[in-house]
Amino acid sequence: GQNIDQPTEMTATEGAIVQINCTYQTSGFNGLFWYQQHAGEAPTFLSYNVLDGLEEKGRFSSFLSRSKGYSYLLLKELQMKDSASYLCAVRNSGYALNFGKGTSLLVTP
Amino acid sequence: KAGVTQTPRYLIKTRGQQVTLSCSPISGHRSVSWYQQTPGQGLQFLFEYFSETQRNKGNFPGRFSGRQFSNSRSEMNVSTLELGDSALYLCASSLAGQQIYEQYFGPGTRLTVT
Repeated sequence: GQNIDQPTEMTATEGAIVQINCTYQTSGFNGLFWYQQHAGEAPTFLSYNVLDGLEEKGRFSSFLSRSKGYSYLLLKELQMKDSASYLCAVRNSGYALNFGKGTSLLVTP
Repeated sequence: KAGVTQTPRYLIKTRGQQVTLSCSPISGHRSVSWYQQTPGQGLQFLFEYFSETQRNKGNFPGRFSGRQFSNSRSEMNVSTLELGDSALYLCASSLAGQQIYEQYFGPGTRLTVT
């Protein structure tokens, strides 16, 4: 089966750094994705990891440890527009994306 | 390039009715996946189609079905609607094939069952 856990809510201050963790237990692993979803909008792709290590993309970075079943999304220089839900998703040995329930991030002034 | 489009955007149905939702993928994308999103369960995978064939299916009852046409457009159907089927239904397309590609989501269809 699939089990993907991430914190329900987080709050951080504008300009700060926040790390959103995701742990997973899946049957088969074919990559881990992070998506951002603003309220009332569709999810948009942020990052993808299939090998261990850190992937950096501007203010966003994502880390993966396959042996630990662990990933995190790091957001730097937080802006108010970063207030959104962040979804961790694991692709199993098939082609399905299994999502966690999402972490709602609130950025405060 | 146009994004993923879904029609209709909003739908209100009565318990027991059936509904058909449509998804047009990004041009050139051959894989279409469907998801149900609810506040309690988050995003849950329904099924995925590639070249008119269902490749994967999630843990939903047989009332949920889908198909894909030769132009990669996809439809999903829910029969005998229940109140619990009220949700945002998202479709996502990707280049797919045997490699891993990111999925691009459409705006969704908001289904309300009364």
